[in-house]
Amino acid sequence: SQTIHQWPATLVQPVGSPLSLECTVEGTSNPNLYWYRQAAGRGLQLLFYSVGIGQISSEVPQNLSASRPQDRQFILSSKKLLLSDSGFYLCAWSEGQGNAGANVLTFGAGSRLTVL
Amino acid sequence: AQSVTQLDSHVSVSEGTPVLLRCNYSSSYSPSLFWYVQHPNKGLQLLLKYTSAATLVKGINGFEAEFKKSETSFHLTKPSAHMSDAAEYFCVVSAGGRGRRALTFGSGTRLQVQP
Repeated sequence: SQTIHQWPATLVQPVGSPLSLECTVEGTSNPNLYWYRQAAGRGLQLLFYSVGIGQISSEVPQNLSASRPQDRQFILSSKKLLLSDSGFYLCAWSEGQGNAGANVLTFGAGSRLTVL
Repeated sequence: AQSVTQLDSHVSVSEGTPVLLRCNYSSSYSPSLFWYVQHPNKGLQLLLKYTSAATLVKGINGFEAEFKKSETSFHLTKPSAHMSDAAEYFCVVSAGGRGRRALTFGSGTRLQVQP
């Protein structure tokens, strides 16, 4: 069966420090991978989307970047965190386009980032 | 273009009473519709999905939803609330677009269950 792992679960970082959140998926190949953010009291905002290794689409201009160095690995990064980067970050995967499950997302447990 | 509106940001019910979480959508295509649940500080879990088969969809934990095209609605219901149902619920529409643009999330409904 497929599983998704996301870490760290909780992170407290000072303004201006770097960030790296990692997500890996097991039990599937060629997944679509996503990074979402939930700010306090707000819905889900899609940050990045990837259909394959090295292929990243950015949904909103921001202080963050994403990379996909391997098929089932998705990394969210920042060189210098801002206060506004605080939030709950969720990684998700789905089957690739053309598959029956292409629009069904499976989410990781989330990473709570607090920037002070 | 597609959109989804969750009509209530908060719903409070007593344990053992029915639950109704409302969702309306708009779509230029025949949509697929989903409900996800999120418990505090957890990821989202798929409750159920509608993909143009039966209009009444049964999900996990006793939840179900009915697709009503004439009303453009996909409301989530449960006959009897349990304390463990307290969570945030998201309605999602997918209208046949490609990749990242295929999914639109509602703003969420927080369900409180009173003892």
